[in-house]
Amino acid sequence: AQKVTQAQTEISVVEKEDVTLDCVYETRDTTYYLFWYKQPPSGELVFLIRRNSFDEQNEISGRYSWNFQKSTSSFNFTITASQVVDSAVYFCALSNDYKLSFGAGTTVTVRA
Amino acid sequence: SAVISQKPSRDICQRGTSLTIQCQVDSQVTMMFWYRQQPGQSLTLIATANQGSEATYESGFVIDKFPISRPNLTFSTLTVSNMSPEDSSIYLCSVPPDLGYGYTFGSGTRLTVV
Repeated sequence: AQKVTQAQTEISVVEKEDVTLDCVYETRDTTYYLFWYKQPPSGELVFLIRRNSFDEQNEISGRYSWNFQKSTSSFNFTITASQVVDSAVYFCALSNDYKLSFGAGTTVTVRA
Repeated sequence: SAVISQKPSRDICQRGTSLTIQCQVDSQVTMMFWYRQQPGQSLTLIATANQGSEATYESGFVIDKFPISRPNLTFSTLTVSNMSPEDSSIYLCSVPPDLGYGYTFGSGTRLTVV
């Protein structure tokens, strides 16, 4: 069985602060994919990143960065210099057989 | 990556009625997925719809309540039957990713049952 845990329910920061979202996963499979999605108040799901289990390189995309550590089964997400537009629910998800298992989500509120 | 058109975007329905949600994909896909997102909750997979075969339902979801059609490789519908207020949720369809990308989701149907 697969499981994704996002222990942080809500995070509130002031603009320009950095935010790190934790994601811990469980799977028995050796081949799997990890994802992060953003869900703004409008409700659509916005794809942010995909990482496969064999690629432990960290990634940076603008103000976003991801830290994948297979040894601790974690795939954490950092927003640097947060902005009000970053306010959303962020979901971590795991897939190995075309089915996505989502974490509970972390609500990020960035205050001006 | 694929583009999905999902309709309706929102609806308010009377209890006991049914609502059919449509998803149209701009490319042919073997599998389509239907998810439910209850208020303030995460997404839960309802079923996987393959063209030419019966949908596969996840534990806790049944065909009588959520019948799914998949008439071709670009289209699927989900019907929410005999609705109750507990069915008030966002329903989303999704297709598997192209290489290097994520699963694509429809824009969602925000359903309120009164």
